[in-house]
Amino acid sequence: EAGVTQFPSHSVIEKGQTVTLRCDPISGHDNLYWYRRVMGKEIKFLLHFVKESKQDESGMPNNRFLAERTGGTYSTLKVQPAELEDSGVYFCASSQGRQNSPLHFGNGTRLTVT
Amino acid sequence: GNSVTQMEGPVTLSEEAFLTINCTYTATGYPSLFWYVQYPGEGLQLLLKATKADDKGSNKGFEATYRKETTSFHLEKGSVQVSDSAVYFCALSPLAGYQKVTFGIGTKLQVIP
Repeated sequence: EAGVTQFPSHSVIEKGQTVTLRCDPISGHDNLYWYRRVMGKEIKFLLHFVKESKQDESGMPNNRFLAERTGGTYSTLKVQPAELEDSGVYFCASSQGRQNSPLHFGNGTRLTVT
Repeated sequence: GNSVTQMEGPVTLSEEAFLTINCTYTATGYPSLFWYVQYPGEGLQLLLKATKADDKGSNKGFEATYRKETTSFHLEKGSVQVSDSAVYFCALSPLAGYQKVTFGIGTKLQVIP
Protein backbone atom coordinates (compact mmCIF):
# COMPACT_ATOMS: atom_id res chain seq x y z
CA GLU A 1 0.00 0.00 0.00
CA ALA A 2 1.39 3.40 -0.97
CA GLY A 3 1.73 5.81 1.93
CA VAL A 4 0.81 9.47 2.16
CA THR A 5 2.76 11.41 -0.44
CA GLN A 6 3.59 15.07 -0.33
CA PHE A 7 5.00 17.32 -3.04
CA PRO A 8 7.36 19.04 -3.15
CA SER A 9 9.66 17.85 -0.41
CA HIS A 10 11.31 21.27 -0.25
CA SER A 11 10.31 24.71 -1.49
CA VAL A 12 12.20 27.96 -1.24
CA ILE A 13 10.31 31.09 -2.25
CA GLU A 14 10.56 34.81 -1.73
CA LYS A 15 8.25 36.79 0.46
CA GLY A 16 5.16 37.79 -1.48
CA GLN A 17 5.23 34.82 -3.84
CA THR A 18 2.69 32.02 -4.00
CA VAL A 19 3.33 28.38 -3.19
CA THR A 20 1.06 25.36 -3.53
CA LEU A 21 1.69 22.22 -1.54
CA ARG A 22 0.11 18.95 -2.51
CA CYS A 23 -0.86 15.89 -0.51
CA ASP A 24 -1.96 12.53 -1.87
CA PRO A 25 -3.52 10.51 0.94
CA ILE A 26 -3.68 6.76 1.14
CA SER A 27 -6.32 5.53 -1.28
CA GLY A 28 -9.69 5.13 0.40
CA HIS A 29 -8.90 7.38 3.35
CA ASP A 30 -11.75 9.81 3.87
CA ASN A 31 -9.98 11.91 6.49
CA LEU A 32 -7.18 14.25 5.49
CA TYR A 33 -5.36 16.61 7.81
CA TRP A 34 -2.83 19.37 7.42
CA TYR A 35 -0.39 20.18 10.22
CA ARG A 36 2.51 22.61 10.40
CA ARG A 37 5.69 22.71 12.46
CA VAL A 38 7.37 26.06 12.67
CA MET A 39 11.04 25.81 13.62
CA GLY A 40 11.43 25.05 17.31
CA LYS A 41 7.72 24.96 17.97
CA GLU A 42 5.02 22.35 18.30
CA ILE A 43 3.33 20.66 15.39
CA LYS A 44 0.08 22.56 15.02
CA PHE A 45 -3.19 21.41 13.51
CA LEU A 46 -4.31 23.45 10.52
CA LEU A 47 -7.42 21.77 9.16
CA HIS A 48 -9.33 18.56 8.61
CA PHE A 49 -11.19 17.33 5.53
CA VAL A 50 -13.74 14.56 5.46
CA LYS A 51 -13.83 13.60 1.82
CA GLU A 52 -14.14 16.94 0.01
CA SER A 53 -15.69 18.86 2.91
CA LYS A 54 -13.82 20.97 5.44
CA GLN A 55 -14.70 19.50 8.81
CA ASP A 56 -12.57 21.79 10.93
CA GLU A 57 -10.38 24.66 9.75
CA SER A 58 -9.90 26.27 13.14
CA GLY A 59 -6.12 26.02 12.90
CA MET A 60 -5.69 27.96 9.68
CA PRO A 61 -3.58 30.98 10.62
CA ASN A 62 -5.16 33.55 8.31
CA ASN A 63 -6.81 34.07 4.94
CA ARG A 64 -3.52 33.81 3.08
CA PHE A 65 -3.91 30.06 3.43
CA LEU A 66 -6.36 28.19 1.22
CA ALA A 67 -6.87 24.44 1.32
CA GLU A 68 -8.87 22.42 -1.16
CA ARG A 69 -9.68 18.79 -1.69
CA THR A 70 -11.53 18.53 -4.95
CA GLY A 71 -13.26 15.19 -5.47
CA GLY A 72 -12.20 13.99 -2.07
CA THR A 73 -8.87 12.65 -3.26
CA TYR A 74 -5.70 14.72 -3.14
CA SER A 75 -5.49 18.04 -1.35
CA THR A 76 -3.65 21.28 -2.00
CA LEU A 77 -2.62 23.97 0.43
CA LYS A 78 -1.89 27.32 -1.15
CA VAL A 79 -0.13 30.17 0.58
CA GLN A 80 -0.63 33.53 -1.13
CA PRO A 81 1.19 35.79 -0.57
CA ALA A 82 3.81 34.03 1.52
CA GLU A 83 5.33 35.74 4.55
CA LEU A 84 8.54 34.96 6.42
CA GLU A 85 6.64 33.46 9.37
CA ASP A 86 5.09 30.86 7.07
CA SER A 87 8.39 29.00 6.95
CA GLY A 88 8.23 25.56 8.47
CA VAL A 89 7.42 21.95 7.70
CA TYR A 90 3.92 21.20 6.50
CA PHE A 91 2.68 17.70 7.21
CA CYS A 92 -0.27 15.95 5.72
CA ALA A 93 -1.93 12.95 7.34
CA SER A 94 -4.81 10.70 6.40
CA SER A 95 -6.96 8.11 8.09
CA GLN A 96 -9.91 5.88 7.33
CA GLY A 97 -13.43 6.88 8.23
CA ARG A 98 -13.60 5.08 11.56
CA GLN A 99 -13.06 7.29 14.63
CA ASN A 100 -10.19 5.24 16.04
CA SER A 101 -8.35 4.81 12.78
CA PRO A 102 -4.67 5.71 13.13
CA LEU A 103 -3.17 8.71 11.38
CA HIS A 104 -0.68 8.06 8.57
CA PHE A 105 1.68 10.95 7.99
CA GLY A 106 3.56 12.01 4.90
CA ASN A 107 7.21 13.04 4.98
CA GLY A 108 6.29 16.71 4.99
CA THR A 109 7.11 19.69 2.80
CA ARG A 110 9.80 22.01 4.12
CA LEU A 111 8.86 25.56 3.12
CA THR A 112 11.39 28.36 3.39
CA VAL A 113 10.28 31.92 2.75
CA THR A 114 13.15 34.37 2.28
CA GLY B 1 -7.39 24.28 25.64
CA ASN B 2 -5.35 21.13 25.30
CA SER B 3 -1.58 21.26 25.57
CA VAL B 4 1.42 18.94 25.80
CA THR B 5 4.71 19.77 27.48
CA GLN B 6 7.89 17.80 26.87
CA MET B 7 11.60 18.39 27.22
CA GLU B 8 13.02 19.92 24.08
CA GLY B 9 16.45 18.33 24.14
CA PRO B 10 18.56 17.47 22.38
CA VAL B 11 19.21 14.38 24.44
CA THR B 12 22.48 12.59 23.77
CA LEU B 13 22.97 9.09 25.12
CA SER B 14 25.48 6.33 24.68
CA GLU B 15 24.29 3.08 23.19
CA GLU B 16 22.61 0.78 25.74
CA ALA B 17 21.83 3.67 28.10
CA PHE B 18 18.44 4.09 29.74
CA LEU B 19 16.11 6.64 28.16
CA THR B 20 13.40 8.75 29.75
CA ILE B 21 11.62 11.56 27.95
CA ASN B 22 9.15 13.34 30.18
CA CYS B 23 5.74 14.39 28.93
CA THR B 24 2.90 16.07 30.79
CA TYR B 25 -0.40 17.20 29.39
CA THR B 26 -3.37 19.45 30.02
CA ALA B 27 -6.72 18.39 28.70
CA THR B 28 -10.35 18.17 29.63
CA GLY B 29 -11.98 14.81 29.91
CA TYR B 30 -10.15 11.62 29.04
CA PRO B 31 -7.85 12.10 26.09
CA SER B 32 -5.92 9.41 24.27
CA LEU B 33 -2.14 9.78 24.56
CA PHE B 34 0.51 9.00 21.97
CA TRP B 35 4.17 9.01 21.23
CA TYR B 36 5.12 9.65 17.62
CA VAL B 37 8.62 9.29 16.20
CA GLN B 38 10.21 10.99 13.22
CA TYR B 39 13.34 9.33 11.88
CA PRO B 40 15.68 11.46 9.73
CA GLY B 41 14.15 12.15 6.31
CA GLU B 42 10.88 10.43 7.12
CA GLY B 43 7.38 11.34 8.23
CA LEU B 44 5.84 10.91 11.64
CA GLN B 45 5.09 7.38 12.74
CA LEU B 46 2.96 6.29 15.63
CA LEU B 47 5.26 4.64 18.16
CA LEU B 48 2.77 3.73 20.88
CA LYS B 49 -0.52 4.80 22.40
CA ALA B 50 -2.70 4.55 25.49
CA THR B 51 -6.38 5.33 25.56
CA LYS B 52 -7.27 5.25 29.25
CA ALA B 53 -5.75 5.75 32.68
CA ASP B 54 -3.15 3.19 33.76
CA ASP B 55 -2.87 1.78 30.24
CA LYS B 56 0.69 1.02 29.18
CA GLY B 57 1.61 1.45 25.55
CA SER B 58 4.63 -0.41 24.26
CA ASN B 59 6.46 -0.94 20.98
CA LYS B 60 10.03 -1.63 19.85
CA GLY B 61 11.20 -1.74 23.48
CA PHE B 62 9.67 1.64 24.29
CA GLU B 63 7.03 1.99 27.00
CA ALA B 64 4.82 4.74 28.39
CA THR B 65 2.11 4.58 31.06
CA TYR B 66 -0.95 6.85 31.10
CA ARG B 67 -0.89 8.46 34.55
CA LYS B 68 -4.01 10.51 35.07
CA GLU B 69 -3.16 11.51 38.63
CA THR B 70 0.04 13.21 37.45
CA THR B 71 -1.20 13.96 33.91
CA SER B 72 1.93 12.38 32.53
CA PHE B 73 2.93 9.95 29.78
CA HIS B 74 6.70 9.57 30.09
CA LEU B 75 8.53 7.58 27.42
CA GLU B 76 11.11 5.01 28.55
CA LYS B 77 13.44 2.49 26.99
CA GLY B 78 15.83 0.31 28.91
CA SER B 79 18.63 0.14 26.36
CA VAL B 80 18.75 2.53 23.42
CA GLN B 81 20.38 1.78 20.09
CA VAL B 82 21.94 4.06 17.49
CA SER B 83 18.92 3.34 15.29
CA ASP B 84 16.67 5.00 17.90
CA SER B 85 18.13 8.40 17.01
CA ALA B 86 15.11 10.46 15.98
CA VAL B 87 12.73 13.17 17.15
CA TYR B 88 10.05 11.99 19.57
CA PHE B 89 6.73 13.79 19.90
CA CYS B 90 4.29 13.35 22.75
CA ALA B 91 0.71 14.00 21.69
CA LEU B 92 -2.90 13.76 22.75
CA SER B 93 -6.26 13.47 21.11
CA PRO B 94 -9.61 14.25 22.71
CA LEU B 95 -11.89 11.38 23.64
CA ALA B 96 -10.96 8.06 22.12
CA GLY B 97 -10.24 9.12 18.59
CA TYR B 98 -7.00 9.81 16.79
CA GLN B 99 -8.37 12.78 15.07
CA LYS B 100 -7.43 16.35 16.03
CA VAL B 101 -4.05 15.72 17.63
CA THR B 102 -2.21 18.17 19.89
CA PHE B 103 1.56 17.71 19.80
CA GLY B 104 4.41 18.61 22.09
CA ILE B 105 7.47 20.44 20.86
CA GLY B 106 9.43 17.27 20.08
CA THR B 107 12.56 15.89 21.71
CA LYS B 108 15.56 15.12 19.57
CA LEU B 109 17.41 12.00 20.67
CA GLN B 110 20.91 11.21 19.50
CA VAL B 111 22.41 7.87 20.43
CA ILE B 112 26.16 7.54 19.98
CA PRO B 113 28.04 4.25 19.68
